[in-house]
Amino acid sequence: AQSVTQPDIHITVSEGASLELRCNYSYGATPYLFWYVQSPGQGLQLLLKYFSGDTLVQGIKGFEAEFKRSQSSFNLRKPSVHWSDAAEYFCAVYTGGFKTIFGAGTRLFVKA
Amino acid sequence: DGGITQSPKYLFRKEGQNVTLSCEQNLNHDAMYWYRQDPGQGLRLIYYSQIVNDFQKGDIAEGYSVSREKKESFPLTVTSAQKNPTAFYLCASFSPRRNYGYTFGSGTRLTVV
Repeated sequence: AQSVTQPDIHITVSEGASLELRCNYSYGATPYLFWYVQSPGQGLQLLLKYFSGDTLVQGIKGFEAEFKRSQSSFNLRKPSVHWSDAAEYFCAVYTGGFKTIFGAGTRLFVKA
Repeated sequence: DGGITQSPKYLFRKEGQNVTLSCEQNLNHDAMYWYRQDPGQGLRLIYYSQIVNDFQKGDIAEGYSVSREKKESFPLTVTSAQKNPTAFYLCASFSPRRNYGYTFGSGTRLTVV
């Protein structure tokens, strides 16, 4: 079955520290993968996407993600976290037929 | 700038009343979606529409209804049959001719009082 798993419900990092949010997917074909960010009380905003080609993709706000087919993973990273990065992050895979599966989300807390 | 407008931002409803949430887009996107978000449960798909005058049930359609009379508009009605309507509702749009990513509205928080 097609699915997206975000193993961490929440993560806390210190401001200035590096960040990695995990995402694993289950999908038979070459996936179209996405990361979205949601600030409290707001909608989701697209951070970055992977379709094909270079497995390391750059996004907005200094985020990047690496696609690893052998591990069925698409982890999100940022070298130095800012307090404004505190939000919920969703990994997603487009499965065709106008449908996308979202992970359950990882809430990021940033401590001073 | 193009985008999705959801209104109102906050909505209060008495038990037993139907209420309609508005979603309008000026992105010329073909598909539109309604999601429900509850704490700790991610996004759950209620309904989606690929073209005008056509829509499909998502995973939790019971107690909800939609219409798609215009490409720009996809209103969601929360009926009295929905047992637990208090939630955050998100509307989104999508076009495969663009980048396959969704564009989301800013959401409507519905509270049943």
